Amino acid sequence: ETGVTQSPTHLIKTRGQQVTLRCSSQSGHNTVSWYQQALGQGPQFIFQYYREEENGRGNFPPRFSGLQFPNYSSELNVNALELDDSALYLCASSLRLAGGLSYNEQFFGPGTRLTVL
Amino acid sequence: SQELEQSPQSLIVQEGKNLTINCTSSKTLYGLYWYKQKYGEGLIFLMMLQKGGEEKSHEKITAKLDEKKQQSSLHITASQPSHAGIYLCGADTPLVQGAQKLVFGQGTRLTINP
Repeated sequence: ETGVTQSPTHLIKTRGQQVTLRCSSQSGHNTVSWYQQALGQGPQFIFQYYREEENGRGNFPPRFSGLQFPNYSSELNVNALELDDSALYLCASSLRLAGGLSYNEQFFGPGTRLTVL
Repeated sequence: SQELEQSPQSLIVQEGKNLTINCTSSKTLYGLYWYKQKYGEGLIFLMMLQKGGEEKSHEKITAKLDEKKQQSSLHITASQPSHAGIYLCGADTPLVQGAQKLVFGQGTRLTINP
């Protein structure tokens, strides 16, 4: 069984640039959630993808966008980077069954550390 | 919206001592998760609690959910250096059509001194 993987592990960008972060879900999982964790804080929910559609969104501006692919992997895109976007970005995968029943336990990847200068 | 408050925010204990971390919710908890995080790394799942009064143990770590399902505690017995890290509680919060997201507390940083 393959766990959740994320790439890259570290990234340094400058203000105004754009960034794409990638996540491969755990084998058998079909739902991917993205979280932002600022230093010293708990993770904050960005959005969730299921069947290639956004399932719900946290309090993040539209410059945070995402995709889910047919193999359930996912991307997080952030445009017009700001200094406050510097954080650890965590991807979590879970299994949701047809009919709405979810296994809610989410398995997290190692994260991508984004630094915006 | 649901909010989780963890206490203490940081904890320094001597190796071998017991310790407790608390997580208090502003709303009834329907799924409460405990995770451990090494600095700057991903979250490692520890335990999940759903029922009022539920208690689960794994090795030297015990988690409890109170009867009213608004508070959870994580207790470590005879702490070891390997227990050091950040402990996070997370609560299931509904999205749409049965989907859930996690709302997290701010974390408790645990340091174990030899």
